[in-house]
Amino acid sequence: ILNVEQSPQSLHVQEGDSTNFTCSFPSSNFYALHWYRWETAKSPEALFVMTLNGDEKKKGRISATLNTKEGYSYLYIKGSQPEDSATYLCAFSGGGADGLTFGKGTHLIIQP
Amino acid sequence: EAQVTQNPRYLITVTGKKLTVTCSQNMNHEYMSWYRQDPGLGLRQIYYSMNVEVTDKGDVPEGYKVSRKEKRNFPLILESPSPNQTSLYFCASSLSSGLYGYTFGSGTRLTVV
Repeated sequence: ILNVEQSPQSLHVQEGDSTNFTCSFPSSNFYALHWYRWETAKSPEALFVMTLNGDEKKKGRISATLNTKEGYSYLYIKGSQPEDSATYLCAFSGGGADGLTFGKGTHLIIQP
Repeated sequence: EAQVTQNPRYLITVTGKKLTVTCSQNMNHEYMSWYRQDPGLGLRQIYYSMNVEVTDKGDVPEGYKVSRKEKRNFPLILESPSPNQTSLYFCASSLSSGLYGYTFGSGTRLTVV
């Protein structure tokens, strides 16, 4: 079973502050790295799929970077808003038919 | 609307009573997968399917069965549910196993007593 680690486990951030968190994954046999946003009582929604070393993706105030050589990805949120409160999941693909291995998530709480 | 439809949303059942959780997608996706979510353990894959009639075990397949007779449907079958199968279940679909984002169903909260 692959080891996909996310840190921190949970994070409290003041509204308006920027924040970031980390996903670590195996640097060998890399195929793709996914980020998902999971709001309470809903289902996970895809944010980004990243495949190339050095890749940067952006959607509004959320962006992500990828380092496949050292096996990590950062997710950044600029100017946090209460609606950003959610659990953020990363998932690793080695290209096999078994699909994605998920990390346990970072639970983000934005305090007004 | 492109979606994965999962039913039921909530289910309480008794040990040993066979049940099926249905999953249907309308996006013509080749790849479908079942996950369970347990506190502190993250999403763990139960079974996956690359295409019609092609299914395989994930990380935690014990006590589950699946079938993929049509492209759109991927039901999860618990032949004899046990309390350790109490969990939150998600079905997901995608164009491929890793290169495209997954679309998740709304989840099924299963309690086995």
